[in-house]
Amino acid sequence: NAGVTQTPKFRVLKTGQSMTLLCAQDMNHEYMYWYRQDPGMGLRLIHYSVGEGTTAKGEVPDGYNVSRLKKQNFLLGLESAAPSQTSVYFCASIGPPRVNEQFFGPGTRLTVL
Amino acid sequence: QQQVKQSPQSLIVQKGGISIINCAYENTAFDYFPWYQQFPGKGPALLIAIRPDVSEKKEGRFTISFNKSAKQFSLHIMDSQPGDSATYFCAATSGGSARQLTFGSGTQLTVLP
Repeated sequence: NAGVTQTPKFRVLKTGQSMTLLCAQDMNHEYMYWYRQDPGMGLRLIHYSVGEGTTAKGEVPDGYNVSRLKKQNFLLGLESAAPSQTSVYFCASIGPPRVNEQFFGPGTRLTVL
Repeated sequence: QQQVKQSPQSLIVQKGGISIINCAYENTAFDYFPWYQQFPGKGPALLIAIRPDVSEKKEGRFTISFNKSAKQFSLHIMDSQPGDSATYFCAATSGGSARQLTFGSGTQLTVLP
């Protein structure tokens, strides 16, 4: 099993450009999450999904959109990137049998100029 | 509003010493308190976790101490090793919130050889 994978690993955008980050998991997990990690602020939840076709807002959803068209994939979109969205983005998932352990992907480092 | 406060921000310990990281929470609905370990360039990974019905949990050199009345919990790393050098995050979650994790701000631990 590959676990949780994220594409791309690195990306540089100019202000106003758009992009989509892809998260894929092969563990048949129901719940998936997108976080951003900034120095001194820990990980903050952007959006999450409790199943295929469902999404919900987390703590810092503004400027981001998500979609969960397939159970194994969770996409994070930035429609008009801003420098404040420069961050490291992590995807995570949860599922049986370890229903309390979030499995994280390796992260995507995004820089917005 | 930061619901989980973590200290210290950084910690330097000599090899063989004890590393102690503290967290305090506000939401009494939290029912699961994990610690995640993150190495540079990697996603966080679950290290150890505790539920509020016990005061201590030990796994190898890692121990969580939990004080429900004070709403505090801490991670103790005994016989700290250079390989323990990483960033540690405390977190908390409640069952009715799609298992959303609220993270502390992180502690960067450096163990000197």
